[in-house]
Amino acid sequence: AQSVTQLGSHVSVSEGALVLLRCNYSSSVPPYLFWYVQYPNQGLQLLLKYTSAATLVKGINGFEAEFKKSETSFHLTKPSAHMSDAAEYFCAGSFGSSNTGKLIFGQGTTLQVKP
Amino acid sequence: DAGITQSPRHKVTETGTPVTLRCHQTENHRYMYWYRQDPGHGLRLIHYSYGVKDTDKGEVSDGYSVSRSKTEDFLLTLESATSSQTSVYFCAISTGGVETQYFGPGTRLLVL
Repeated sequence: AQSVTQLGSHVSVSEGALVLLRCNYSSSVPPYLFWYVQYPNQGLQLLLKYTSAATLVKGINGFEAEFKKSETSFHLTKPSAHMSDAAEYFCAGSFGSSNTGKLIFGQGTTLQVKP
Repeated sequence: DAGITQSPRHKVTETGTPVTLRCHQTENHRYMYWYRQDPGHGLRLIHYSYGVKDTDKGEVSDGYSVSRSKTEDFLLTLESATSSQTSVYFCAISTGGVETQYFGPGTRLLVL
């Protein structure tokens, strides 16, 4: 069965520091992978997605992620954290779901940014 | 922003009562999804629809039913609410495949 795992339910960084949020997947078929962000009391917003083109994917707000098949990973990074990046981040995957687009989500990582 | 609304936004109900949540879209997207969000579990798919009157189960479908009689509306029904169904429910829409899913603002449901 396919799964998505986010390592670390809470990550705290200082403003200006590197942000690294970890995501690993398990699947016997090629995945499509997504990162979403959720601000308090709001729905989810797409940051970026990997759909088997370039392995390094750039998204909104300065975020990027690299698909590494050998490590079954899709970690999210941002060189310099901003206070406005504080939110919950979800990694999600679509695995061989043909056209349905069904997503399997990780547990989520809350990012805290300290001044 | 994608045109997705959910109603009600907040609801408190009692165990054993029926509850219906509505998702309405103005984008004419083929696919619609219902997820629930619980701490430590991320989002989990309840049911989804791939067209009018075409629906299928997700990973946590027990205790829930859905209906889609029009492209723009996708209803989620809890026939007899239980406390374990206290959650935040999100609707999402997409054109399918690897296309982006756009999420609604969510409905916070408390079952007492």
